[in-house]
Order: sequence, then structure tokens, then C-alpha cells
Amino acid sequence: KNQVEQSPQSLIILEGKNCTLQCNYTVSPFSNLRWYKQDTGRGPVSLTIMTFSENTKSNGRYTATLDADTKQSSLHITASQLSDSASYICVVSPAYSSASKIIFGSGTRLSIRP
Amino acid sequence: SAVISQKPSRDICQRGTSLTIQCQVDSQVTMMFWYRQQPGQSLTLIATANQGSEATYESGFVIDKFPISRPNLTFSTLTVSNMSPEDSSIYLCSVERTSGMGTDTQYFGPGTRLTVL
Repeated sequence: KNQVEQSPQSLIILEGKNCTLQCNYTVSPFSNLRWYKQDTGRGPVSLTIMTFSENTKSNGRYTATLDADTKQSSLHITASQLSDSASYICVVSPAYSSASKIIFGSGTRLSIRP
Repeated sequence: SAVISQKPSRDICQRGTSLTIQCQVDSQVTMMFWYRQQPGQSLTLIATANQGSEATYESGFVIDKFPISRPNLTFSTLTVSNMSPEDSSIYLCSVERTSGMGTDTQYFGPGTRLTVL
């Protein structure tokens, strides 16, 4: 069964610190892996998109990595800001499938404390 | 990217009533998707709305409870019928677009936060 698991479930760090969120998946083959940021009560916003052949993708202070051999991805946040407090969702698209078949992780809830 | 708007942004409703949520996209798309996100949970696909044909519902969701309209290529509505407190969720509209790098990605509306008393 195709699954996407994220860890930790929640994380609290101090403002200015770095953190890394993990995503393990069993989807194979897959087309792309995406990280989204979702503020409370809002829709998810895309941070990074990586195809199966890419290893890293950056978007400002957000850097995503992908290891297709171990089926792991991580999202690294540098110099965290209070506005980074949100849920971060890992999403995997199976290859040769429609958009209705994408698989969502349960998310990591990140809280940044001043 | 895609600009997606939803109405209403939030509502508080009485059980047994129905609420229709509107979704407007800034350009034409073939498929629009409706998701539900229950408190503390991830997103669950309700149905795919195709213009000119019946919506395709996922397991556990039925047309009588969540009727969908798709009158044109930029607009869709989702109705939550005969609501109960268990329907309290965020409802999200979504479309898929090909990014500048040639990769398909999914864009989400701001969501409708529904509370059923």
C-alpha cells in the first residue's frame, strides 16, 4: 500500500534556530514529491517540487532533499522566523496516475517560539 | 501558479441544514478537486469535478451528501447536505497546473472553515 509518513508529528523550536522535518514514503514509482506549508485555517501553499531524479530544491530559507534509494525526503528550515509556525505536509504523486491519486502525509506541526 | 478563491471563508451552521461552497479559478482547468480536512488531520479527497460530466467520488463519499456542480471551466460548487457536527472541517478546492519546470503541481484555495452545531 502506498503510504507517506512524516516525523515528527509536532516540533517546537526557538526563533532563529534551524530544523529538519522528515518524510518517508513507500510510493513507487513516483512522479514527484512536494512539500507544502499550511497556515492554521488556510489552504496549503507549495514550497518545493522535486521529480524522482532530483536530489535537492531550495526556496529561500527552505531546502528540500530527496533520496530515492532510501525513499526519504527532508525539509530543512534555516534561521526560523515566527511566521514559519505552520503545518508542513509532504505529498507524493504516484507515476502514471491522475492527480486524484496523490498521497498526503499527515503533516508536521511546527511552532516557533520567540 | 493559480489563483483560487473560495466563498464563504467560514461559516457556522445548524445541523440538518446545507451549505454550498463556491470555488473560482483565475483560468480554465479541466479538473477541479474538492478536499476535506478534519481537525488535526491531513487532506482527504472528496471528489473530482469534471466540466460537462458527473463528478467522480472517492470511497466513502456520495453524491447525495456532497453534490457538486461544474458549470464551466473556471467554477465549481460543493454542497454539504444535511449537516451534522461530524461535517465540521475545512473544505478545500484545488486544481493541478504544470509548473514552469514542466512538473505538475497542485494549487489549493484558501479553504472554507465549516462548523456545525
